[in-house]
Amino acid sequence: EPEVTQTPSHQVTQMGQEVILRCVPISNHLYFYWYRQILGQKVEFLVSFYNNEISEKSEIFDDQFSVERPDGSNFTLKIRSTKLEDSAMYFCASSGLADPDTQYFGPGTRLTVL
Amino acid sequence: QKEVEQNSGPLSVPEGAIASLNCTYSDRVSQSFFWYRQYSGKSPELIMSIYSNGDKEDGRFTAQLNKASQYVSLLIRDSQPSDSATYLCAVNVTGGSNYKLTFGKGTLLTVNP
Repeated sequence: EPEVTQTPSHQVTQMGQEVILRCVPISNHLYFYWYRQILGQKVEFLVSFYNNEISEKSEIFDDQFSVERPDGSNFTLKIRSTKLEDSAMYFCASSGLADPDTQYFGPGTRLTVL
Repeated sequence: QKEVEQNSGPLSVPEGAIASLNCTYSDRVSQSFFWYRQYSGKSPELIMSIYSNGDKEDGRFTAQLNKASQYVSLLIRDSQPSDSATYLCAVNVTGGSNYKLTFGKGTLLTVNP
């Protein structure tokens, strides 16, 4: 069964450093998303991406964040200068054209900012 | 502010019992409703979606939607210890090509053998 994959599974970085989280969505999906979940809190929407542009972004997704689809398979989230409060699980999700409402989540990347 | 509210639990049921999980949402234009299961340290796993008022059954799971009351629920019949997880209610307010999900905090379910 097709699934969303994410790398790395765990990323440790120093405050102020740049990180790139990578995702490979389900192959025939066209809608891509990033969510985050701070430990013990709810899953929060960050950004949605369709047709090579951002569809919507949340207040969390400030100028320090960016997304890119550098090729036909990868979807990345970059945090330019990480803060302690960026420590969280970051989930990539994707959905298909036939059923764009239904989103499938990847296993997540645990980001730890020291 | 679009909110999704769930009782955080924990909800504890014996094996074989029916577990009932509830969710309310604040945005009346919400169109699509989802239940995800999340094991500790893992990602949300889709269980069911529901779009119309009434019941939708899939195996041991039944989702119920009442748009007038802004209420959606999930029933798990014949609960198993492997059902022990946090159940997340998610709501989608669709508009154009925007399909973001708003999640509740989740209800922790424990099924006791």
